[in-house]
Amino acid sequence: DQQVKQNSPSLSVQEGRISILNCDYTNSMFDYFLWYKKYPAEGPTFLISISSIKDKNEDGRFTVFLNKSAKHLSLHIVPSQPGDSAVYFCAASANTGNQFYFGTGTSLTVIP
Amino acid sequence: EPEVTQTPSHQVTQMGQEVILRCVPISNHLYFYWYRQILGQKVEFLVSFYNNEISEKSEIFDDQFSVERPDGSNFTLKIRSTKLEDSAMYFCASSTGTPPYEQYFGPGTRLTVT
Repeated sequence: DQQVKQNSPSLSVQEGRISILNCDYTNSMFDYFLWYKKYPAEGPTFLISISSIKDKNEDGRFTVFLNKSAKHLSLHIVPSQPGDSAVYFCAASANTGNQFYFGTGTSLTVIP
Repeated sequence: EPEVTQTPSHQVTQMGQEVILRCVPISNHLYFYWYRQILGQKVEFLVSFYNNEISEKSEIFDDQFSVERPDGSNFTLKIRSTKLEDSAMYFCASSTGTPPYEQYFGPGTRLTVT
């Protein structure tokens, strides 16, 4: 049962442009959403979060948008940098962080 | 900066053998987790652990799996009788248990069952 979906397995963006990574979910009880970044041979690294009481959260070059009615969230990276090239996972939780459901990931390549 | 550590980085074992994967969570964290990622697939939740007991577990976490916090620092995942399909990257994570509940992941242990 795929409760969190990332329908784009890969994305290529020119350096300096905006990267938009999308995530859809099915469980309306999800109340916290996290984005993680993962480099090969490393564990996921926490990037940014948003709770269901907000529709936007910004941290430097990273902004996450949440559309609860559409059960959709997106991560915007602007400007994109080559070091942002990694796999990005969204994750969602319905029970105060006890269990997070991960999407399948989107591999972002930022072209210099 | 504090980090989650895992040992070993790579474990090769024969089918039917027991393996123990070890993790040292961040010292002031209260919640501990195990995830796995089969090659090319998504990160899958296995179990969460708080106050010396399992708080949530997934369908994957069957009787072959167990977790333990044997002392004040280590957090272990034991697979009693490994199967070929247990081959995966196993990640340990920890969190404070406060919003936004971000989890800090270790570098992972690659388990290869032959």
